[in-house]
Order: sequence, then structure tokens, then C-alpha cells
Amino acid sequence: EEQLVESGGGLVKPGGSLRLSCTASGFSFSSYDMHWVRQVAGGGLEWVSGIGHGGDTNHADSVKGRFTISRENAKNSLYLQMNSLRVGDTSVYYCARGVPGGLDVWGQGTTVTVSS
Amino acid sequence: DIQMTQSPSTLSASVGDRVTITCRASQSIGPWLAWFQQKPGEAPYLLIYQASNLQNGVPSRFSGSGSGTEFTLTISSLQPDDSATYYCQQYNNYSGYTFGQGTKLEIK
Repeated sequence: EEQLVESGGGLVKPGGSLRLSCTASGFSFSSYDMHWVRQVAGGGLEWVSGIGHGGDTNHADSVKGRFTISRENAKNSLYLQMNSLRVGDTSVYYCARGVPGGLDVWGQGTTVTVSS
Repeated sequence: DIQMTQSPSTLSASVGDRVTITCRASQSIGPWLAWFQQKPGEAPYLLIYQASNLQNGVPSRFSGSGSGTEFTLTISSLQPDDSATYYCQQYNNYSGYTFGQGTKLEIK
């Protein structure tokens, strides 16, 4: 079964840092683009960052310069390093597998709360 | 940045109805549009990719069409399990993904 499992969420103060992880199983992780998408409670979806299977990266303007996406293919793992966190970054963060034009496998999400 | 606008924001329909949700892009995105279904407490679920391709396992009552700036998701015969929020999503090589604001579909 193709599966993604996120971890690393929690409560952090404004200005703090957090590193999210996503572990893949059941498919050839190194062959796929991977993404982070977030969702405010009761709100819509916002794409955060993506990394190609070749390692090229892209970030939403709202997180550029603060968040960094990376991957470690040997560990079937995706990461999101989040620095200079703001209250507005409070969300459920999902990792998702990218296929041409879509995101076809999603994790269950991990909750990040930024509050003093 | 490319903006995605869905309509309507909410929709109420009866079992068996034909339902259409529209998504408009602020500039042409070719066929690079996907549709997702999300139920409360769950992750989004891919229904349609590249505007009109049905994801494996998705019931055939779901269909997608369009290209360029205007796209539609159609449910041909609404079922009780279709109560959910639906999102469109575009992919642009330079600016990444953008989601529409969502359409909440309620069953009467």
C-alpha cells in the first residue's frame, strides 16, 4: 500500500523553528516529485513547497526565505524546515506525492501551532 | 501569481441530481488542473487530473472538462457519499500549485 506518514508537528513560539518529516512506503520514493500543502482549521488548502525527483525546489511566496524543503531518498523521507515561524503558519501540514498535474497520495497531516 | 476562482462556494442538491462546479484561472494553464474531494477530518482525495482524467478507483459519475482558463467538475448522479468540499488546483511550472477556495456540497 502506498503510504505517507508525517511527523514533527507541535507547539512553537513565534520566531521559532520546527522540522517536519514525511516517510514514504509502498512506492519508489526517489522517482516522484513531493510536496507540502497546509490547511488552516476550517479553511482552504494552500500549497507550501515542492521538490522534484531531481532535487529542484519551489516555495510559495508566503514562505520563501523561511521554509526549506528537502528530501533524503535513501531514507524515503521528505522534510520541511520551518524557520521564523509566524502565528499565520498555524495549520495542518500534509505531505503529498506529485504526479503530472496532480497530487495523488496524501499523508494524514501533522498539526503545527504557532502561539506565544 | 495565478489565481483560481471556484463557483459556487456552497451548493445544496438532492440525491440523483446532476451537479457542476466551475473553476476559473486568472491566466491560461493549459490542461494542468486537478480536482480534489475532502471530507471533514480527512486528507484531500484526488478525483481528476489533467483536467479530464479520472483517477484510478474514482466512480465514473465524476468527470472533468475544460482547458485554458475555464474548467468544470460534474457529478452526473449525486450520491449521499458525495457530501464534501471540492477543490480545484492548478500547476504552473514556475509558481507551483494554487488551489481554489473550495465548494462545499451538501446533500438535501
